Amino acid sequence: EVQLVESGGGLVQPGGSLRLSCTASGFTFRNYDIHWVRQATGKGLEWVSGIGTAGDPYYPGSVKGRFTISRENAKNSLYLQMNNLRAGDRAVYYCARAQSTADGWYFDLWGRGTLVTVSS
Amino acid sequence: QSVLTQPPSVSGAPGQRVTISCTGSSSNIGAGYDVNWYLQLPGTAPKLLIYGYTNRPSGVPDRFSGSRSGASASLAITGLQAEDEADYYCQSYDTTLSASVFGGGTKLTVL
Repeated sequence: EVQLVESGGGLVQPGGSLRLSCTASGFTFRNYDIHWVRQATGKGLEWVSGIGTAGDPYYPGSVKGRFTISRENAKNSLYLQMNNLRAGDRAVYYCARAQSTADGWYFDLWGRGTLVTVSS
Repeated sequence: QSVLTQPPSVSGAPGQRVTISCTGSSSNIGAGYDVNWYLQLPGTAPKLLIYGYTNRPSGVPDRFSGSRSGASASLAITGLQAEDEADYYCQSYDTTLSASVFGGGTKLTVL
């Protein structure tokens, strides 16, 4: 089955760290850019980071310097190391497979998400 | 505040046609970057509905269609069905932010 499965979410104190994982199956993981998108409860979708097939990372300004995306193709896995977490980082984090075009990218496969809660 | 602006809600009766707008700017939709649409049912992950303004992935009914005009895009749903009740999001790329951006989402209610 073609799928993405996230893990690693949980409760962390403000200022703490957490590492999320996403494991792919059913497709050739190394051939795709993979991204993280988050959604706070009752809110919209927010792009968090992406990584190209060559391991090149992309980040929005809101997480640059705090979050690090990486991939391990041999394990069909994607990671998100999140440091210095804030209350505003509380959300469900989805990993999503991206299809890149000359005019952007779109996400054609999503995982079910993992919940990150930041609270003291 | 989202970079792409969507109406918070739209509604329609079964069988009717509704449209959802997505307004951007010269640094995203107006710059020619693709607009993609996603559907999210309550408690589930988003699902790709339309990519590259007008293209439907396999399995998406032709009741769903997309279009673009200048710095805006629209999603049209014809023959509304109860199962279409969900949140809908547009997404594009913003060259000023160097980031993928989403609209704030539109909740579709089928009356």
